[in-house]
Amino acid sequence: GAVVSQHPSRVICKSGTSVKIECRSLDFQATTMFWYRQFPKQSLMLMATSNEGSKATYEQGVEKDKFLINHASLTLSTLTVTSAHPEDSSFYICSARGKGFYYGYTFGSGTRLTVV
Amino acid sequence: QQQVKQSPQSLIVQKGGISIINCAYENTAFDYFPWYQQFPGKGPALLIAIRPDVSEKKEGRFTISFNKSAKQFSLHIMDSQPGDSATYFCAASMGNYQLIWGAGTKLIIKP
Repeated sequence: GAVVSQHPSRVICKSGTSVKIECRSLDFQATTMFWYRQFPKQSLMLMATSNEGSKATYEQGVEKDKFLINHASLTLSTLTVTSAHPEDSSFYICSARGKGFYYGYTFGSGTRLTVV
Repeated sequence: QQQVKQSPQSLIVQKGGISIINCAYENTAFDYFPWYQQFPGKGPALLIAIRPDVSEKKEGRFTISFNKSAKQFSLHIMDSQPGDSATYFCAASMGNYQLIWGAGTKLIIKP
């Protein structure tokens, strides 16, 4: 089946630094990538949607200059948290949908970001 | 109208029992209704999904019941096992758009 690999699984960074999270579709071409943030004991909150080769569309309230999303190829999307602060600490999850996978959404295993 | 309401928030079931989680939606344009299972520290994994032209779908111990007129759908886990202890999310989407998520149900199966 479709597999999405997300790295790193955990990262600790200092306040003010930037962190990059990668999401790769291993056996299909991900035409659309979704990035979510999940707080403890809460549901997934969509941050942005990106289509390959296009600029990401951010949800209301999500700072696009802080959460940079790049979807330059059909197998790789990245989320960069710039100038991270402790309030950015969260669980980030990517989800990919391939061409022809009209209803299929495959999720990565998530990244636990801790900003100290 | 975009909301998906999920209940209960938490559920404790004895091993071997039936776990039932319910979801309700308003937007009649939704045409895809999946259920996801999430373990702590992991991303959600698709359990089972249904389209509105079907009233029930069964895969192993997992069954989705869909009531189009009531705009409700539910997940039934038969013969619940301790390994089923996880958080379950219902979701809905319209066409090729984003998933709209329920709030989640934390399921605990007692041995």
